[in-house]
Amino acid sequence: EAGVAQSPRYKIIEKRQSVAFWCNPISGHATLYWYQQILGQGPKLLIQFQNNGVVDDSQLPKDRFSAERLKGVDSTLKIQPAKLEDSAVYLCASSLAGNMNTEAFFGQGTRLTVV
Amino acid sequence: AQTVTQSQPEMSVQEAETVTLSCTYDTSESDYYLFWYKQPPSRQMILVIRQEAYKQQNATENRFSVNFQKAAKSFSLKISDSQLGDAAMYFCAYRRNTGNQFYFGTGTSLTVIP
Repeated sequence: EAGVAQSPRYKIIEKRQSVAFWCNPISGHATLYWYQQILGQGPKLLIQFQNNGVVDDSQLPKDRFSAERLKGVDSTLKIQPAKLEDSAVYLCASSLAGNMNTEAFFGQGTRLTVV
Repeated sequence: AQTVTQSQPEMSVQEAETVTLSCTYDTSESDYYLFWYKQPPSRQMILVIRQEAYKQQNATENRFSVNFQKAAKSFSLKISDSQLGDAAMYFCAYRRNTGNQFYFGTGTSLTVIP
């Protein structure tokens, strides 16, 4: 079974530039999560999708971050404009919907450095 | 958001010995799941063990076991016969019953000393 795919693995941009991350979840997983993991901290939930609808985006900085999952499969997270404090690893995860027993499966993440 | 607290930023253990990582959480829900994840330097989060809140029996997976104290909202991970490959960041996670969000603690960095 293929895992959660993310790209790119690394990205370096200057502040005020824009950047986009892509995620393809495990086939059949209706729930998709984007997490931000700042160095030395635990993952913080940015946004959660159920199919192509948003379940929770309460911690997403909506003035600069946006995310979409148009066809209920893959997803894109965008930052525009980027700030220095956005430097972090961005993790995508997916899980089966309606089944609390299942864990979230994670991709390898994208390490973003804003200079 | 739910709060998950890991009070040990770093822990070390001698190879073949046992170590316990602590986790507490705050919730008003009665039904939920708890997880321990391992994150090696490759950044890939890997599930170590899970616990259902309505089950009193502590979960066990080979060398990994948990001590789940629901009333105390405590969920510690015990690693027996520690191996060099166990060295990693360990995150405690809480999964909500309604909404299915996962909330993570700040992690414990485990070093295994040969």
